[in-house]
Amino acid sequence: EDQVTQSPEALRLQEGESSSLNCSYTVSGLRGLFWYRQDPGKGPEFLFTLYSAGEEKEKERLKATLTKKESFLHITAPKPEDSATYLCASPPRSAGGTSYGKLTFGQGTILTVHP
Amino acid sequence: NAGVTQTPKFQVLKTGQSMTLQCAQDMNHNSMYWYRQDPGMGLRLIYYSASEGTTDKGEVPNGYNVSRLNKREFSLRLESAAPSQTSVYFCASSPLAGDYNEQFFGPGTRLTVL
Repeated sequence: EDQVTQSPEALRLQEGESSSLNCSYTVSGLRGLFWYRQDPGKGPEFLFTLYSAGEEKEKERLKATLTKKESFLHITAPKPEDSATYLCASPPRSAGGTSYGKLTFGQGTILTVHP
Repeated sequence: NAGVTQTPKFQVLKTGQSMTLQCAQDMNHNSMYWYRQDPGMGLRLIYYSASEGTTDKGEVPNGYNVSRLNKREFSLRLESAAPSQTSVYFCASSPLAGDYNEQFFGPGTRLTVL
C-alpha cells in the first residue's frame, strides 16, 4: 500500500532556529512529490513540486529536496509567520501509467515558530 | 480572479438530511477534486473529475455522489448524512489530471452532522 509519512508530527522552534521536516514515501516509481502549506481554517496552499531525486527548490526561507526515498523541507532562520501545517503528497502508483492527478497526502507537520 | 470558491463555509446537519456542497473555479482548469480532512487522517480523496463530463471514485467515496456540472463547477452531494461524515471538505482544481500538476485548493466547508 502506498504511504506518505511525515515527521515530526509537531515542531516548535524559536525564531531564527533552522530545522528540517521529513516526508518519506513507499510509493514505487515516484512521479512527483508536492509540498503544501496550510494555515488554520484555510485550504492547503501549493509550495513546491519536485520531479526527480536530486532536485532542489527554494522559496524565501524554505528549501525542498528530494531523494529516492524521502523529501526534506528545510526552514532557514524561520519567522513566526512561517507557523503553519506543512503537508507533503505524492501520486499513488497506477497500473495505467498515470494517477489522473490523484494524490496521497501525509498527515502533516505542525510547525510553531515562537518570537 | 477568485481561484477556487466553495459554498457554504459552515453547515450543521441532522443525521439523515441531505445537502450539496458547491465548488467553482475560474482558472479554466480541466480537473477538479473533492477531499475530506479529518484529525489524524490527513486529506483523503473522495471523488475526482479528470475532465468535463467524467467523474471517478477516490479513496473514500461511500456515502457521496458528485456532479461535474460544467468545466467550472463540481458539486458533492450527501444523500443521507451520517455523523461519520462530520469533517472539513476541500475542493481543488488542476490544469490537467497529470502526475506533476499542482492542485489549487478552496477555503473549505466545515460540516457537522449531529
